[in-house]
Amino acid sequence: GQNIDQPTEMTATEGAIVQINCTYQTSGFNGLFWYQQHAGEAPTFLSYNVLDGLEEKGRFSSFLSRSKGYSYLLLKELQMKDSASYLCAGSDSNYQLIWGAGTKLIIKP
Amino acid sequence: GAVVSQHPSRVICKSGTSVKIECRSLDFQATTMFWYRQFPKQSLMLMATSNEGSKATYEQGVEKDKFLINHASLTLSTLTVTSAHPEDSSFYICSARDSGRDYNEQFFGPGTRLTVL
Repeated sequence: GQNIDQPTEMTATEGAIVQINCTYQTSGFNGLFWYQQHAGEAPTFLSYNVLDGLEEKGRFSSFLSRSKGYSYLLLKELQMKDSASYLCAGSDSNYQLIWGAGTKLIIKP
Repeated sequence: GAVVSQHPSRVICKSGTSVKIECRSLDFQATTMFWYRQFPKQSLMLMATSNEGSKATYEQGVEKDKFLINHASLTLSTLTVTSAHPEDSSFYICSARDSGRDYNEQFFGPGTRLTVL
């Protein structure tokens, strides 16, 4: 079966670094997406990885290991506005996105 | 670029009425659009995949006669919730895949909050 696992909730401190992990099992693989969703709003695209390694984009970086079926999203210099849910989604052989349940990130001052 | 609009943003209706939600890709062509539903504090649930010019593909457990989907052009898909009931109250979000891009990123509309009284 297809499955995406990520922690339900994480807490971090403003200015710190946090890593949100995601493991995936998909039928075929066409990449791994990370989206950010603030409460009451639609998701917005953060990153896409299809090759192994780290993709850096400002304060946010995303890592992929295809052999381990593993990805993480790294957020640096946390700001209060980063409080949101972070959704991991794997793309299967039909290019369908398989969604994780999301990780709610709580930032404390 | 890659903007998706959704209308209306919020709708309140009486039980038994039908509600139509529009999803438009404003600056790109989308042969495929997706309709999601999200209940409070839960993740996105894919309802159906909407393909331009053909019938939508519904996920298991989603009634196709209750949630009518039409994707008549490369920039517009509509979802009609027929005979809505209070349990249909939810946040409905559409997304569109840009046919011209190399990978299948989905661009999301802002969502429609439906409240059925």
